[in-house]
Amino acid sequence: ETGVTQSPTHLIKTRGQQVTLRCSSQSGHNTVSWYQQALGQGPQFIFQYYREEENGRGNFPPRFSGLQFPNYSSELNVNALELDDSALYLCASRKGLGEETQYFGPGTRLLVL
Amino acid sequence: DQQVKQNSPSLSVQEGRISILNCDYTNSMFDYFLWYKKYPAEGPTFLISISSIKDKNEDGRFTVFLNKSAKHLSLHIVPSQPGDSAVYFCAASLGGYAGNNRKLIWGLGTSLAVNP
Repeated sequence: ETGVTQSPTHLIKTRGQQVTLRCSSQSGHNTVSWYQQALGQGPQFIFQYYREEENGRGNFPPRFSGLQFPNYSSELNVNALELDDSALYLCASRKGLGEETQYFGPGTRLLVL
Repeated sequence: DQQVKQNSPSLSVQEGRISILNCDYTNSMFDYFLWYKKYPAEGPTFLISISSIKDKNEDGRFTVFLNKSAKHLSLHIVPSQPGDSAVYFCAASLGGYAGNNRKLIWGLGTSLAVNP
């Protein structure tokens, strides 16, 4: 059984640019959540996708958007990057909305200069 | 406003002894709690969880205790091993049984060092 994978592992962008991060969920998992973890902080919930639709959102501006595909893989898009967007972005998947345990990928470390 | 608090940023214990990691929460609506372990450059790894209807859950060397009246939970690792050295995050889950909009609220983590 393949775990959650994310790409790329590291990324450097400049302010104002746009970025797309990718996540492949664990086999059999149809629910994907994205988290932002700043240095020294716990992960902060960005949003969740269930069967290709956004199903919950944290306190992040609209320039953070996402997508989920029929194979349940997912993308996180961030427009108009700001310095404070520098963080580790984590993707987590689980079997369904009713499942409590989420399984995380290794994350994508984004640096905005 | 930090709804899940891990007040000890770090903890150091000797190999073979007990490690106790603490977590406090403020929202009485949380109905599920999870502990994750995180090594540098890796994503969090699920360790153990507990439902709010229980007060204890055990899995091998790991036991989680929940005290709802005190809004406090703790993770006990016995015996501690050097490989347990990592950052431990407490997370609380909020949402209806159907799971709509269920999300994890995380503490800031406690860095555990187990010394040989």
